[in-house]
Amino acid sequence: NAGVTQTPKFQVLKTGQSMTLQCAQDMNHEYMSWYRQDPGMGLRLIHYSVGAGITDQGEVPNGYNVSRSTTEDFPLRLLSAAPSQTSVYFCASSNRALWENQPQHFGDGTRLSIL
Amino acid sequence: GDSVTQMEGPVTLSEEAFLTINCTYTATGYPSLFWYVQYPGEGLQLLLKATKADDKGSNKGFEATYRKETTSFHLEKGSVQVSDSAVYFCALSDGPLLTFGTGTRLTIIP
Repeated sequence: NAGVTQTPKFQVLKTGQSMTLQCAQDMNHEYMSWYRQDPGMGLRLIHYSVGAGITDQGEVPNGYNVSRSTTEDFPLRLLSAAPSQTSVYFCASSNRALWENQPQHFGDGTRLSIL
Repeated sequence: GDSVTQMEGPVTLSEEAFLTINCTYTATGYPSLFWYVQYPGEGLQLLLKATKADDKGSNKGFEATYRKETTSFHLEKGSVQVSDSAVYFCALSDGPLLTFGTGTRLTIIP
């Protein structure tokens, strides 16, 4: 059982470049979300999805796009990377009906540096 | 909106010391409360949870009690080990999305 898989684990970009962070889960979870982790600020929600075809903004959505074409996948896109987007990114998933007893499952993270 | 305030770190303790990491929250409803732990280079793992007032969550020797009257969920352990060195996050939720505190880095020295 793989759980939540994020790729790549590390990435270095130049300002203005674009890239997609991949996230896949094999638990048939309806909810998927993206967080960024910055020193002294904990984890902040970027975007989330409550099911295939449905996405919504979190606390810090600017500069990021998402889509949810399947239940399993929830990619995060940076269209034009900026140094302020240097961070560690975590993808998480959860079961809509069981969230209290089985809260969010996290991937291992993607460490992204923007030069 | 909902928020979580966590004890500032870093915290450094000797092995077998008593640990307390403070966590207080602000919420409009009756959220569930969680402690997550992040070991170096890894994602977050659920450590313990409590879903209603006066519930006590426990796991791996850690405990936390949901105190509605003081809006708190402090994490405690009676005797810490070097392997407990990690970053600890307090979080709340009234649905499948979580609101996190800023995290507390804990280092245990032998």
